[in-house]
Amino acid sequence: EPEVTQTPSHQVTQMGQEVILRCVPISNHLYFYWYRQILGQKVEFLVSFYNNEISEKSEIFDDQFSVERPDGSNFTLKIRSTKLEDSAMYFCASKTGGAGQETQYFGPGTRLLVL
Amino acid sequence: DAKTTQPNSMESNEEEPVHLPCNHSTISGTDYIHWYRQLPSQGPEYVIHGLTSNVNNRMASLAIAEDRKSSTLILHRATLRDAAVYYCILRDRPTGANNLFFGTGTRLTVIP
Repeated sequence: EPEVTQTPSHQVTQMGQEVILRCVPISNHLYFYWYRQILGQKVEFLVSFYNNEISEKSEIFDDQFSVERPDGSNFTLKIRSTKLEDSAMYFCASKTGGAGQETQYFGPGTRLLVL
Repeated sequence: DAKTTQPNSMESNEEEPVHLPCNHSTISGTDYIHWYRQLPSQGPEYVIHGLTSNVNNRMASLAIAEDRKSSTLILHRATLRDAAVYYCILRDRPTGANNLFFGTGTRLTVIP
């Protein structure tokens, strides 16, 4: 069964450094998402992406964040200058986009630790 | 988005049915009821969704009250693998990106 993959599984970085989290969505999917989950808290929506542009973003997704689909397979989340509070699990998700197709498929996540 | 209310935690014995309730008294006519679950150390996973009629799939059943102000996710025979946090999420009719907004969910513990 096709699945969303994410790399790396764990990333440790120093505060102020840039990080890029990578995701390979399921191949025929059209909508892509990033969510994050701070340890012990709920899953929070960050951004959705469709047709090579951002569809919607949350208040968390400020100017420090950016997303890109550099080729036909990867979907990346960049944090330009990491802060301690960016430490979280980051989940990528994708869905097809067909009429009534609402299931989002999530990857296993990247655990980011900012020191 | 309309709010949902779920118990913080529930327990079930292995191989017994589990009924996970969700209240959504402010649901609108076009809101779909979605259930996702998150197994320990994993990303959320789709379970089931419905609008008005009860729904069944290989994972679970979804029973929706006639007034749609509440719903129940039914796991027919709980296994240890079903131990997870279960989220009940309302989303408007499926158009566009339709982002998911997770609450705190119900943590299901399955007792062997």
